[in-house]
Amino acid sequence: DTGVSQDPRHKITKRGQNVTFRCDPISEHNRLYWYRQTLGQGPEFLTYFQNEAQLEKSRLLSDRFSAERPKGSFSTLEIQRTEQGDSAMYLCASSLVGGVGDNEQFFGPGTRLTVL
Amino acid sequence: AQSVTQLGSHVSVSEGALVLLRCNYSSSVPPYLFWYVQYPNQGLQLLLKYTSAATLVKGINGFEAEFKKSETSFHLTKPSAHMSDAAEYFCAVRASGANNLFFGTGTRLTVIP
Repeated sequence: DTGVSQDPRHKITKRGQNVTFRCDPISEHNRLYWYRQTLGQGPEFLTYFQNEAQLEKSRLLSDRFSAERPKGSFSTLEIQRTEQGDSAMYLCASSLVGGVGDNEQFFGPGTRLTVL
Repeated sequence: AQSVTQLGSHVSVSEGALVLLRCNYSSSVPPYLFWYVQYPNQGLQLLLKYTSAATLVKGINGFEAEFKKSETSFHLTKPSAHMSDAAEYFCAVRASGANNLFFGTGTRLTVIP
């Protein structure tokens, strides 16, 4: 299967700890997105990359959050000094701009973060 | 500005009955509209999308949706519900030229045997 993959699938951490999540997009996709989904809500956009460039960040992405896509392939999302309010499902999606598919976003299975 | 409203956070239907999940959108420019399905502890799977071609869009698993500009709606339907349709359904909008999706709050579909 060559879909979007995320690691880990589940992460439990204590308040104040740092966590890092990884996303591997579909190999030929040049865009990569991060979304956050809290219980009972739809996903909310956090940020996106075109190749290695981070082109847009939501106001939801506080200073404690940082995302990278150093080689234009996989991406990491780091949360520093986690808070209980960070508990959510973090979803990654990828798309191909400039090809067929109308920039359709394909989602990974998500990383569920629980902050105790 | 873009937004999506999904009426009904929970919908229950009997197996074999019509499924109707409602979605209304707001967009200042012509939108692209999407329906995604999410099964427990999984990511989102695209059911169908409207991209300014035909207003009646057919998707996977027998679902379809009709874009009605006059009503700013994009309701999802399926003639006959199956037990495997039980899941959370999300409507999403992306304005033409924009990059990210705006999602509704979701509708949880329960199928009663």
